Amino acid sequence: GENVEQHPSTLSVQEGDSAVIKCTYSDSASNYFPWYKQELGKRPQLIIDIRSNVGEKKDQRIAVTLNKTAKHFSLHITETQPEDSAVYFCAAPIPNDMRFGAGTRLTVKP
Amino acid sequence: DAGVIQSPRHEVTEMGQEVTLRCKPISGHNSLFWYRQTMMRGLELLIYFNNNVPIDDSGMPEDRFSAKMPNASFSTLKIQPSEPRDSAVYFCASNPPRLAGGYEQFFGPGTRLTVL
Repeated sequence: GENVEQHPSTLSVQEGDSAVIKCTYSDSASNYFPWYKQELGKRPQLIIDIRSNVGEKKDQRIAVTLNKTAKHFSLHITETQPEDSAVYFCAAPIPNDMRFGAGTRLTVKP
Repeated sequence: DAGVIQSPRHEVTEMGQEVTLRCKPISGHNSLFWYRQTMMRGLELLIYFNNNVPIDDSGMPEDRFSAKMPNASFSTLKIQPSEPRDSAVYFCASNPPRLAGGYEQFFGPGTRLTVL
């Protein structure tokens, strides 16, 4: 079955710097790669996703890149702001299910 | 649509009591997932249903946990008897049919369970 590994587990950056979180997956058939953001005390919510037919997708300050050959995908946040502080989860699908990474706790220091 | 609805939002109970968590998925979604989240173990998938049928319950910790989905608009997760180590936030999530291009999981607000 699918195995999703996420690094780092914690990340601290200064406001305005960039943050990068990486995930690897094992199932070469996976074709959809979402990233979820969970703020303290709230539910996980989708912030960006990418399908396997593209290598990069951008939405304002966040972007996701995908390397299908190496089976890894990354979340990039530029010009970080304190409100970006949260736990971020990557995920990869298996039939009728989704495997989540262990999460990365991002702290943006003002 | 109101999104995924969970009840109760908070539950405090004593060890040994039965706890029932409830979930109403988004209308039209055909997959439903129950997750447990703790600081130590992160987000764990307990069980998921597809078209009301349990597909994978390998994440259910032990026989004290059971889940049902009697129809497309309602699911329950029951813990009997509850133990302090069951204290966690329990999320329910649903997603639309994959054949329709649906992959995004929509999470409910969660139920914070405290077992004393």
